[in-house]
Amino acid sequence: AQSVTQLGSHVSVSEGALVLLRCNYSSSVPPYLFWYVQYPNQGLQLLLKYTSAATLVKGINGFEAEFKKSETSFHLTKPSAHMSDAAEYFCAVTAHGSGNTGKLIFGQGTTLQVKP
Amino acid sequence: DAGVIQSPRHEVTEMGQEVTLRCKPISGHNSLFWYRQTMMRGLELLIYFNNNVPIDDSGMPEDRFSAKMPNASFSTLKIQPSEPRDSAVYFCASSPSKNGDYGYTFGSGTRLTVV
Repeated sequence: AQSVTQLGSHVSVSEGALVLLRCNYSSSVPPYLFWYVQYPNQGLQLLLKYTSAATLVKGINGFEAEFKKSETSFHLTKPSAHMSDAAEYFCAVTAHGSGNTGKLIFGQGTTLQVKP
Repeated sequence: DAGVIQSPRHEVTEMGQEVTLRCKPISGHNSLFWYRQTMMRGLELLIYFNNNVPIDDSGMPEDRFSAKMPNASFSTLKIQPSEPRDSAVYFCASSPSKNGDYGYTFGSGTRLTVV
């Protein structure tokens, strides 16, 4: 079975500062990992995904994430925060290979606040 | 591509009434998922379909909830009778692959309020 833990339900940064949103996963088989963003009153939008190719994954809006198997982590970063980055961010995991059912398991989400 | 289309966007109903939420997945996507989002429980997977067949409905909270996918372009989630604790945002998502490696595309959701 797979699970995801997002460390910190709220993260606050100043505009221009580094954004770091933490995600740790648990999976008994090699995982696929995803980050989604949700703006107020909208659905979830895919930011980026790791599917066993390069461990450093670049996504939309300047975000990137690094898969670290030894740490079972998939933290999301952005070098310089913009006011428009304020949203809720979700990490998600599914398994690939014979154990895969296509079902994504989501973390509890992290709300990113960006201060001027 | 119009994306995943959900209707209605907002629904307010009285306790005890039947509620039907609708979803049109992206053409060509063969997996469809229904999620519920609340402040207390976050995102919960209710049920998902692959090639119109329900694969896992273990997340459906009670017998009051039912979902159907009569064809590749339409799915419904029905609550009968509705209760105030069913108030939430319900999302439909679709995926082109069975194993999730493409991730999902989400609709804009239906905000359900049961009074």
